[in-house]
Amino acid sequence: EVQLLESGGGLVQPGGSLRLSCAASGFTFSTYAMSWVRQAPGKGLDWVSGINYSGGSTYYADSVKGRFTISRDNSKNTLYLQLNSLRADDTAVYYCAPSTSATYFHHWGQGTLVTVSS
Amino acid sequence: DIQMTQSPSTLSASVGDRVTITCRASQTIRSWLAWYQQKPGKAPKLLIYMASSLEGGVPLRFSGSGSGTEFTLTISSLQPEDFATYYCQQYDTYPITFGGGTKVEIK
Repeated sequence: EVQLLESGGGLVQPGGSLRLSCAASGFTFSTYAMSWVRQAPGKGLDWVSGINYSGGSTYYADSVKGRFTISRDNSKNTLYLQLNSLRADDTAVYYCAPSTSATYFHHWGQGTLVTVSS
Repeated sequence: DIQMTQSPSTLSASVGDRVTITCRASQTIRSWLAWYQQKPGKAPKLLIYMASSLEGGVPLRFSGSGSGTEFTLTISSLQPEDFATYYCQQYDTYPITFGGGTKVEIK
């Protein structure tokens, strides 16, 4: 059974930083691309960032480019998202999701809430 | 970036109704389109991929069609458990983009 467990969310002040983690199990993590998708309270889905199976290629939404960094550790079956220079509009539940080369998402984690507020 | 526009944003329907949701892409995405269902407080659930392929375990009353820039999700006979929000998503080109969502409400 595929399991994705996000962690690291919390309350942070504007301009602050957080590091999100996604612990994966139930599939061969090192052969899948991974993405982060977020959802602001009461709003729609917003893809944030993606990384290929090896970590050699990364992709970002324009809204987070230069502020967020995606990475992975295949030896630990874990995906990361470093969030810097956080803004109020980054407040959202952040989900991780695996994909093949076709980037749609069969499985999702339960999400971790990031709240940016003073 | 490819913009995905869903219509309507809200839809009121009754159990047993046939429901159609439309998704338009700002440029061709061939058939690289997925549909998701989301219920409050839950993660999205994949329904359809490659525009018309049904995800395993999804009821046959759900179907998808279209290619290029125009796509539809159809629920042939709406069931009580289908009241939810539906999103389309293109995966032709990075950045991946979602439609704004269609909330299906009880009439």
